[in-house]
Amino acid sequence: DAGITQSPRYKITETGRQVTLMCHQTWSHSYMFWYRQDLGHGLRLIYYSAAADITDKGEVPDGYVVSRSKTENFPLTLESATRSQTSVYFCASTDPGNEQFFGPGTRLTVL
Amino acid sequence: GNSVTQMEGPVTLSEEAFLTINCTYTATGYPSLFWYVQYPGEGLQLLLKATKADDKGSNKGFEATYRKETTSFHLEKGSVQVSDSAVYFCALTPNNTDKLIFGTGTRLQVFP
Repeated sequence: DAGITQSPRYKITETGRQVTLMCHQTWSHSYMFWYRQDLGHGLRLIYYSAAADITDKGEVPDGYVVSRSKTENFPLTLESATRSQTSVYFCASTDPGNEQFFGPGTRLTVL
Repeated sequence: GNSVTQMEGPVTLSEEAFLTINCTYTATGYPSLFWYVQYPGEGLQLLLKATKADDKGSNKGFEATYRKETTSFHLEKGSVQVSDSAVYFCALTPNNTDKLIFGTGTRLQVFP
């Protein structure tokens, strides 16, 4: 399917576990982004990537790791999940100067 | 720094009422401004955008004008429908970047 997909859509995990959220886009967009959405904060940028093998921190990167070995994939890893990382996570992609397209989101609960 | 402030919700309206959702911003240089919409259970979709002062973005009956003198980008619609019920986010990208900075979102509820 064309577009941007995220998996899993829902995830429940425990404090201290490692969790990886997947993002895949079929447009070969150069830029990819991870945001988290929390009540009262809107969406905040966690990490972004301008191209394969190029990543940079956003506003709230602590506790997260990203990689981008292929243009179409941009996984987000929580190395040791904490309750404060309970959130809805959105991936997005774009080419420079164009509209960002968002995935459907992953709802993560950390117990 | 760069930031976006939008009115808190929820905004509750009857069908066919006039809608205004206020948005103001702080930014250096010449940001681009956006309104995104999030329908229940979905990701965000671009509703409209404006890239320079006095530009008017419009889509699906919604409009917003880039006002540099008041640093505002208020969203308006003349006659809302039940199907417009969603969360609306104002956002900007600072000059020469693609990193979106969002407001906190405003939930709109439209009743028949």
